[in-house]
Amino acid sequence: RKEVEQDPGPFNVPEGATVAFNCTYSNSASQSFFWYRQDCRKEPKLLMSVYSSGNEDGRFTAQLNRASQYISLLIRDSKLSDSATYLCVVSTNDYKLSFGAGTTVTVRA
Amino acid sequence: GAVVSQHPSWVICKSGTSVKIECRSLDFQATTMFWYRQFPKQSLMLMATSNEGSKATYEQGVEKDKFLINHASLTLSTLTVTSAHPEDSSFYICSADPLQGTNTEAFFGQGTRLTVV
Repeated sequence: RKEVEQDPGPFNVPEGATVAFNCTYSNSASQSFFWYRQDCRKEPKLLMSVYSSGNEDGRFTAQLNRASQYISLLIRDSKLSDSATYLCVVSTNDYKLSFGAGTTVTVRA
Repeated sequence: GAVVSQHPSWVICKSGTSVKIECRSLDFQATTMFWYRQFPKQSLMLMATSNEGSKATYEQGVEKDKFLINHASLTLSTLTVTSAHPEDSSFYICSADPLQGTNTEAFFGQGTRLTVV
């Protein structure tokens, strides 16, 4: 079983729509959780960290459910520039990052 | 944010040759850097942890004699793909965390797209 699993999508949504997707992780000892964004043929960049209480950054909301071992990301009022692959990233105490394969989101005009 | 520079951005080489990829932390010191490989439509897979002044720690299934890692200074780690073959064609990317040991944001190099022909 993969350490981090994501729905690959793609999620094709119109501008202004809300899109949400999840990620599950297998290691219950995981300590830190992140969403990274990766554009085609580019390096990943941190979108947001995910905190136990859930957190919001502008149009992006992240939730963590430790009991069920999943993380979610919700994007409100989608923009064309939100089109990217979103990587779920999990880390344990050894500071190694485990990446999901990514969820592709395409926002159309 | 912190800057990690990776060079080259892309390289095409003949089968059997070796390719060196450099990863530099430009505005911070990194005792630890990480090397990943990403195949199309797949996740980043950690290949090895590069430790300044000591041997790299390789993940299971990664051949240490094929993927040579040298971390000679606090700002530079190199990955050499030796005797490259077409199946080594991939996107190689390094990362470092300026706040070592705090499990916060990792900063990535721009990645190197290797094509072996």
